[in-house]
Amino acid sequence: NAGVTQTPKFQVLKTGQSMTLQCAQDMNHEYMSWYRQDPGMGLRLIHYSVGAGITDQGEVPNGYNVSRSTTEDFPLRLLSAAPSQTSVYFCASSRDRGLQSQYFGPGTRLTVT
Amino acid sequence: EDKVVQSPLSLVVHEGDTVTLNCSYEVTNFRSLLWYKQEKKAPTFLFMLTSSGIEKKSGRLSSILDKKELFSILNITATQTGDSAVYLCAVEADSGGYNKLIFGAGTRLAVHP
Repeated sequence: NAGVTQTPKFQVLKTGQSMTLQCAQDMNHEYMSWYRQDPGMGLRLIHYSVGAGITDQGEVPNGYNVSRSTTEDFPLRLLSAAPSQTSVYFCASSRDRGLQSQYFGPGTRLTVT
Repeated sequence: EDKVVQSPLSLVVHEGDTVTLNCSYEVTNFRSLLWYKQEKKAPTFLFMLTSSGIEKKSGRLSSILDKKELFSILNITATQTGDSAVYLCAVEADSGGYNKLIFGAGTRLAVHP
């Protein structure tokens, strides 16, 4: 099992550019989430999905879109990047709603200039 | 508004010292409290606590929850340089059809030889 994979590992964008952060898991997990981690603020939930075709907003959804067309993939789209979106992004998946079994991906470090 | 507060924000100790990390919370629909260790990459799970007064132990690490006073502590005895990391506390809350994690900002622990 590869677990949770994220690409790219690093990305630099200019303000206004768009891009997609990729996340995939091979554990057949229903629940997937995207978090961002800023210095001194812990992790904050951006969007989550409880299964293919079902997504919902988390704590800080503005400026991001998600879709879940398959169980395996949960891409995060930045529509028009802003410097405030400079952060480390973690994707996570879990078998069920019990988050103690949540697996985190290795993270994507995004810088917006 | 749900919140999780960790203290201290940073801590510097010498090998062999014992440290206590604190986590207090105000969260509705509490389900559990989780501790993670984060070393320059994704958080790794340490403990899940659901009941007051029951100590969870793993080697030199232990943790306990007080649901009346709304706090948890993480103890590390005989610290080693490999314990240097950010320790994150997160509270899992029931949010309708999904459980969400509310993270604290973390405690950065540096263990010097």
